[in-house]
Amino acid sequence: ETAVFQTPNYHVTQVGNEVSFNCKQTLGHDTMYWYKQDSKKLLKIMFSYNNKQLIVNETVPRRFSPQSSDKAHLNLRIKSVEPEDSAVYLCASSSGLGGSYEQYFGPGTRLTVL
Amino acid sequence: GDQVEQSPSALSLHEGTGSALRCNFTTTMRAVQWFRKNSRGSLINLFYLASGTKENGRLKSAFDSKERYSTLHIRDAQLEDSGTYFCAAEPNSAGNKLTFGIGTRVLVRP
Repeated sequence: ETAVFQTPNYHVTQVGNEVSFNCKQTLGHDTMYWYKQDSKKLLKIMFSYNNKQLIVNETVPRRFSPQSSDKAHLNLRIKSVEPEDSAVYLCASSSGLGGSYEQYFGPGTRLTVL
Repeated sequence: GDQVEQSPSALSLHEGTGSALRCNFTTTMRAVQWFRKNSRGSLINLFYLASGTKENGRLKSAFDSKERYSTLHIRDAQLEDSGTYFCAAEPNSAGNKLTFGIGTRVLVRP
């Protein structure tokens, strides 16, 4: 099956803990993204990677760091979570960069910070 | 500021009828995508348009970059069309930054 896969589906943790979310795409795409869907249900881009190079780094806190081992994987680590980090995190991929390429999304990881 | 203005925020339809969702853009967009969030929360790709119109079954989408809008038409609505629909567009000036609308919650009633 070719798609974008994310683990875990849900994660509950306490303030100050470190969490890591995994994303893998089997679509053969070159570019991957992380989005955050906040409490207002608005999706906002956080990062994008093209062939393991960071392309976009929106003004997210430094405790967030994307990690990519190869172009099929893009993980997201949050070093010390804060309550405002509670959200759904969506991973996506597209076949290219620098033009218009359709993006495909994973099912998301819901993070709850207590 | 907000670049994608999606309307309506909610839409109720009787089975068999149709309606349209709209996204207005405050800047020139390179392309637009439409998604539906399924019951598991996954975003399902409906359309990708760089211009013109596309049709897929009972759904049809149009994108006018110059006039800065896109529409999604649902005809002969079925119960399974219920869900939240999102448009997302890529500004000409912003590389691969896909900017999402707030979503339209569609409810199809028998």
